[in-house]
Amino acid sequence: AQTVTQSQPEMSVQEAETVTLSCTYDTSENNYYLFWYKQPPSRQMILVIRQEAYKQQNATENRFSVNFQKAAKSFSLKISDSQLGDTAMYFCAFMSLRSNYKLTFGKGTLLTVNP
Amino acid sequence: NAGVTQTPKFRILKIGQSMTLQCTQDMNHNYMYWYRQDPGMGLKLIYYSVGAGITDKGEVPNGYNVSRSTTEDFPLRLELAAPSQTSVYFCASSYSGQGTEAFFGQGTRLTVV
Repeated sequence: AQTVTQSQPEMSVQEAETVTLSCTYDTSENNYYLFWYKQPPSRQMILVIRQEAYKQQNATENRFSVNFQKAAKSFSLKISDSQLGDTAMYFCAFMSLRSNYKLTFGKGTLLTVNP
Repeated sequence: NAGVTQTPKFRILKIGQSMTLQCTQDMNHNYMYWYRQDPGMGLKLIYYSVGAGITDKGEVPNGYNVSRSTTEDFPLRLELAAPSQTSVYFCASSYSGQGTEAFFGQGTRLTVV
């Protein structure tokens, strides 16, 4: 079974600065997807960024980028130029292609962006 | 395009009561899932379905039942509600294919008293 570990329960950052959220996972699969989801106080789960394991290039979406280290099973999220609207719970998630595309989530990191 | 729609958004149940959480998606996704979210625990998979007529247990299925009679709908049934089922419930859907992602409903906050 896959496991996803987020070792930082809470983090804070000043507006306009950069912050990195950590995620490690454990799997025996070679092909899979990794995601970062954002959950603001509205409770809605919003996809931030996706990485396909067979792609070596790190995914980037505007101010959000990942550092994907497949051998180390590490998948960190970097948020540049942090904004107040980035305040949310962030979940790292692993999608198994062998197990019916089920998602396994980490416990989340609560990020607070301070003005 | 509504995506994934869950109803109700909030509900209070008494111990021993039953209810059905509704979930429907209009994206023609074959895969659908039910998760529960407890504070500090992330999301745990309750049940999932890979297509109409096919369902299977996830990590925490006890106390729940599901059915999938159509591609669009995937209701979650709680029988004999218990305080341990107090949680936020999310329905999600995805398709099998390159570039897939899971789309989530807005969640149902359920309190069992």
